[in-house]
Amino acid sequence: GAVVSQHPSRVICKSGTSVKIECRSLDFQATTMFWYRQFPKQSLMLMATSNEGSKATYEQGVEKDKFLINHASLTLSTLTVTSAHPEDSSFYICSAKLPFSTDTQYFGPGTRLTVL
Amino acid sequence: KQEVTQIPAALSVPEGENLVLNCSFTDSAIYNLQWFRQDPGKGLTSLLLIQSSQREQTSGRLNASLDKSSGRSTLYIAASQPGDSATYLCAVRPSDYKLSFGAGTTVTVRA
Repeated sequence: GAVVSQHPSRVICKSGTSVKIECRSLDFQATTMFWYRQFPKQSLMLMATSNEGSKATYEQGVEKDKFLINHASLTLSTLTVTSAHPEDSSFYICSAKLPFSTDTQYFGPGTRLTVL
Repeated sequence: KQEVTQIPAALSVPEGENLVLNCSFTDSAIYNLQWFRQDPGKGLTSLLLIQSSQREQTSGRLNASLDKSSGRSTLYIAASQPGDSATYLCAVRPSDYKLSFGAGTTVTVRA
């Protein structure tokens, strides 16, 4: 089946620094990827939709200048948390959709971000 | 705005007992509903996907039903095993590809 990886799996950083998280589709090309955030014991919240070769579409309430998304190739999307603060600490999960597929999203293993 | 609720939030059962997990959603205009499993600190594994025109889907010990008009889905896990211990999430998909997730039901199966 389709595999999606994320790197790093865990990152700890100081407040005010920027952190980049990578999402890769390993064995398929993904024109569309999604970024989610999950706080403890809460549901996954969609942050943005990442489209290859075009600007990401952000959900209401998500600051696009703080969460920079780049989908430069058909197998890689990156999420950069700029000037991170403790309230940005969360579990970030990406998913990728097969081209021409109407249903299936494949999820990455997630990245645990802790901002001190 | 679609709201997805899962009840109960947590469930603990002895091994061998059947599990019943509930999911409700406020907007019945969905394209499909999906059940996922999430292990602690891990990503999501898709278990079952039910199209809006379907009433149920089965895979091994898992059976999911969908009543779109009432905004409900139920996941049944027969003869539970300790390896079934995880958090189970349901997600609904409207006409676009944006999934709306419930907060999950955390299941513990005691040996």
